[in-house]
Amino acid sequence: KAGVTQTPRYLIKTRGQQVTLSCSPISGHRSVSWYQQTPGQGLQFLFEYFSETQRNKGNFPGRFSGRQFSNSRSEMNVSTLELGDSALYLCASSLWGTGSNEQFFGPGTRLTVL
Amino acid sequence: GENVEQHPSTLSVQEGDSAVIKCTYSDSASNYFPWYKQELGKRPQLIIDIRSNVGEKKDQRIAVTLNKTAKHFSLHITETQPEDSAVYFCAARPDTGNQFYFGTGTSLTVIP
Repeated sequence: KAGVTQTPRYLIKTRGQQVTLSCSPISGHRSVSWYQQTPGQGLQFLFEYFSETQRNKGNFPGRFSGRQFSNSRSEMNVSTLELGDSALYLCASSLWGTGSNEQFFGPGTRLTVL
Repeated sequence: GENVEQHPSTLSVQEGDSAVIKCTYSDSASNYFPWYKQELGKRPQLIIDIRSNVGEKKDQRIAVTLNKTAKHFSLHITETQPEDSAVYFCAARPDTGNQFYFGTGTSLTVIP
């Protein structure tokens, strides 16, 4: 089974721009979560989608948004980029509701804002 | 919401010694506690997990213990090896959904 994939792997943007990141979950996984990882802050939860619906949202400003498509692929968008948005963005997929708990992470997208 | 605290932030041990990493959580509704290992430049990988109805779980050199009353759980690695060097994250998931709350990580260095 193919793992979680994320594109692009690296991205460089300037302040004020917007960016869209993509995540393809493991086949059959309907829950997709997004995290921001920065040094010293660990993994901070952005949001979780299940069957195209956002079920949970972390404590991030409205500039961070996401969506999920019918094939469970997910995108997250960050508008009006700030320097502090530079981070590794990880998505994770899981089989929710089947008794399985494990989240499988993608390789991440490294976003640098200049 | 849930708050997970993790200690220590850095840990150095001699090869063959044991390493212990501790986490506390705040939400008594949390019922699932995974531990992830993240090597430099790689994605986090699940190494062991425990559900709230179990007090201890072992997998070879790795064990996790959970004290629901005190709301803390710990990772124990015995007979450490250089390849155990990585950042370890604990997490908690409340039973209200599939939202995971992570600790800030422990950078473990095993000195040969």
